Amino acid sequence: DTGVSQDPRHKITKRGQNVTFRCDPISEHNRLYWYRQTLGQGPEFLTYFQNEAQLEKSRLLSDRFSAERPKGSFSTLEIQRTEQGDSAMYLCASSYDREKLFFGSGTQLSVL
Amino acid sequence: DQQVKQNSPSLSVQEGRISILNCDYTNSMFDYFLWYKKYPAEGPTFLISISSIKDKNEDGRFTVFLNKSAKHLSLHIVPSQPGDSAVYFCAASNSGGKLIFGQGTELSVKP
Repeated sequence: DTGVSQDPRHKITKRGQNVTFRCDPISEHNRLYWYRQTLGQGPEFLTYFQNEAQLEKSRLLSDRFSAERPKGSFSTLEIQRTEQGDSAMYLCASSYDREKLFFGSGTQLSVL
Repeated sequence: DQQVKQNSPSLSVQEGRISILNCDYTNSMFDYFLWYKKYPAEGPTFLISISSIKDKNEDGRFTVFLNKSAKHLSLHIVPSQPGDSAVYFCAASNSGGKLIFGQGTELSVKP
C-alpha cells in the first residue's frame, strides 16, 4: 500500500532562497491538494488540482508560491525568495472521493 | 474569517470514559463534515464523516453528531483509550471538495 509520499520530510533554508517540495499521490486519485499548517492551527488550504488542472488557489498563496502537477501525476510546490513567515508544515493530500482526503506526512520547512 | 472553530484547545479524559470533542461552523453552505486525527510528525488521518442530510453517523467507538440548526457537530469516543491521544481536527466542505479545518483539539486519555 503506497500512501501519499512527500519529499523531503525536513528542509532548512536561508531567507531569500528558493525551495521545492514534491508530492506523489495515491496512484488512482485524481485530486491533489496542498495545505500549510503552523503550530496550534489546523491545516490551511493553499491550492488543489484535478488531474493536471489547477482549479483553485487560496488568497493566502502569494506570487512567490507556485504549484504544478504535470500529466496529472506527482506535484511540486515551489516557494521563491523564502521568508521567515513561510516556516510551516506543508501537507499534500490526494483523493478520489471528493471530500475524503488522504494526507502525506508533510514537509517541515524552517526558514532561518 | 474562521469558518470552522474548535474552541477547546485541549481535553483530558480518563481511560474508559467518554471523550466529547466539539466543533462549530458559520457557513450554512457546508454540506459535508469530517473528523481527522493527527499524531506528531504525521499527516492527519481520516476518522469519520457525516453528510448534512444525516444527524448521526457511527463507526465502532466513534460517533459524530450534527446539529444543523445550531451549526454544531461533535465527536464522541466511547470508551476512550490511551491510543486515542492525539490532535483531532474537524473539517467541512461545501461540495467544492476543498476542506476547511478547525484549529484542532488535543485529546489526552490518561490510564
